[in-house]
Amino acid sequence: QSALTQPRSVSGSPGQSVTISCTGTSSDVGGYNYVSWYQQHSGKVPKVMIYDVNKRPSGVPDRFSGSKSGNTASLTISGLQAEDEADYYCCSYAGGYFFVFGGGTKLTVL
Amino acid sequence: QITLKESGPTVVKPTQTLTLTCTFSGFSLSASGVGMGWIRQPPGKALEWLATIYWDDDKRYSPSLRSRLTIAKDTYKNQVVLTMTNMDPVDTATYYCAHLSPGYTYAQDWGQGILVTVSS
Repeated sequence: QSALTQPRSVSGSPGQSVTISCTGTSSDVGGYNYVSWYQQHSGKVPKVMIYDVNKRPSGVPDRFSGSKSGNTASLTISGLQAEDEADYYCCSYAGGYFFVFGGGTKLTVL
Repeated sequence: QITLKESGPTVVKPTQTLTLTCTFSGFSLSASGVGMGWIRQPPGKALEWLATIYWDDDKRYSPSLRSRLTIAKDTYKNQVVLTMTNMDPVDTATYYCAHLSPGYTYAQDWGQGILVTVSS
């Protein structure tokens, strides 16, 4: 199982919106509506921000949203804030009760 | 409240076997619909899903590491154990255990992680 493909970095200014893509195959992202996104600040434990493509756990700001089209999932962060600067990882169910992560995207808030 | 904590050696030598234990509370791995996983992250690199175990003792492994991994549960002790054989310096990473969501669709709760260094 190959890792999902994410851009290595994205950036935006405070108040702007950014979108992070996550491309897989029909065996993972395209085959199931079980994509999740994790935020990881430097030296910290990953935290789930989006699950099942577009659902937000309680406590996650509605500035974070997820979507999927075909084999590509996306995480959009609107109204960027300084505290959003972190690494973001997508993850997809890949069948057979297993999961695959993306390579991670570093978000810089300018 | 769900808590998970990884424990084990922080340094192992090449070719040795690593054994990590995840001790958890707030749920039971014998209850229907519960699953747990191990995930690792080399320094400065991406997350990698290693293994998953379910309440019914179903076990799944990363295809690329299957031959080296074993996951097991002890429901009485509320523990999940991961063993990885033939350790190599490239296996140096922070190892996390995680509790899966109902329906097993994502890693809902994470332990703090344990950094394991493979070095002679």
